Amino acid sequence: DQQVKQNSPSLSVQEGRISILNCDYTNSMFDYFLWYKKYPAEGPTFLISISSIKDKNEDGRFTVFLNKSAKHLSLHIVPSQPGDSAVYFCASGRMGQFYFGTGTSLTVIP
Amino acid sequence: NAGVTQTPKFQVLKTGQSMTLQCAQDMNHNSMYWYRQDPGMGLRLIYYSASEGTTDKGEVPNGYNVSRLNKREFSLRLESAAPSQTSVYFCASGAGSNQPQHFGDGTRLSIL
Repeated sequence: DQQVKQNSPSLSVQEGRISILNCDYTNSMFDYFLWYKKYPAEGPTFLISISSIKDKNEDGRFTVFLNKSAKHLSLHIVPSQPGDSAVYFCASGRMGQFYFGTGTSLTVIP
Repeated sequence: NAGVTQTPKFQVLKTGQSMTLQCAQDMNHNSMYWYRQDPGMGLRLIYYSASEGTTDKGEVPNGYNVSRLNKREFSLRLESAAPSQTSVYFCASGAGSNQPQHFGDGTRLSIL
């Protein structure tokens, strides 16, 4: 049974607009949450993380929101750029054992 | 500026053959991980090593063994390869257990 779910396999957004990627998890013991970006034939690249003691973390154009009561996190990219086109994975877990979602393929249209 | 290096990048094996996937990191990280990624699925943790000298099972450890040779190196061994182990294998390292992980570019393994 999947512990981390990304229910949108793909998302298309116009350049300059906001991209919102969503992720749900099932285990209330998870205390660390991450987003990774992946290009074909490369390994995932770390984007941004958040611990369970926070509900928001920002890094430049990227913001992660955590709603612990809903067991939901989201990644906002503002403004979206064509170079952001990639597959985005969320990961959740604790003590080094992380579970990954199946990914959302983001396409930013120029 | 190597980061995490995996060898080989590609391999084809026959069922029953054995193989060791190598991983080395130059970031002085304590923790190292092995994942597999199958089509339509996220990465699944096979084994991890929180520090030199320790290893623990992840979500899908059956059919694999690991060795944390030293702080830099963490190898994954398939003793008797099966077609179900056809996958892309990623090694990662991190400064600690709840820290971002840095990934290698993967080993694409096909078992016929």
